[in-house]
Amino acid sequence: AQSVTQLDSQVPVFEEAPVELRCNYSSSVSVYLFWYVQYPNQGLQLLLKYLSGSTLVESINGFEAEFNKSQTSFHLRKPSVHISDTAEYFCAVSGPGTASKLTFGTGTRLQVTL
Amino acid sequence: GAGVSQTPSNKVTEKGKYVELRCDPISGHTALYWYRQSLGQGPEFLIYFQGTGAADDSGLPNDRFFAVRPEGSVSTLKIQRTERGDSAVYLCASSSTGQGGSYTFGSGTRLTVV
Repeated sequence: AQSVTQLDSQVPVFEEAPVELRCNYSSSVSVYLFWYVQYPNQGLQLLLKYLSGSTLVESINGFEAEFNKSQTSFHLRKPSVHISDTAEYFCAVSGPGTASKLTFGTGTRLQVTL
Repeated sequence: GAGVSQTPSNKVTEKGKYVELRCDPISGHTALYWYRQSLGQGPEFLIYFQGTGAADDSGLPNDRFFAVRPEGSVSTLKIQRTERGDSAVYLCASSSTGQGGSYTFGSGTRLTVV
């Protein structure tokens, strides 16, 4: 069985500041890792994913995450946030052979202010 | 269609009543998933369809919950004898392959049992 821990339920940050949203996972098998974003009044959208290969993955809007197997982490970072990044961010994990059944964390609310 | 469509967007029902929630996936997507998101929580897996068959229904909480996908496209989640604890946002997602966790989610149906 897999589990995901997002320790920070809320992260307030000023615009143009850097941010890191933490995600740790637990699994007895190799995993795939994902970050999904939920903007206000919208559905979940895939932000980025790690399946294999390079441990650093990037999204089109400046976010990046690094898979760290030894620390079982997949933290999400952005060097300079924008007001429009305000949203709920969910880390998720799945394992090979589980038909991509995702196990989600409880989410982190990123609140960007001027 | 262009995205995953879920109807209704909101449903209020009385305790003990029967409800049906509909999901219309992206055309051609063979994999379809139902998740449930309670307040302050991440989405929790309910059931996965590959084509017409339920490939994994291990997340259905009890026998009051049932889902069908008779023609391999539209799916209906059915809840009998609703309870107040069933109140949540029910999310549907579809994928072209069922692998890699890259879903497209719908906006969800908010079910409130009073």
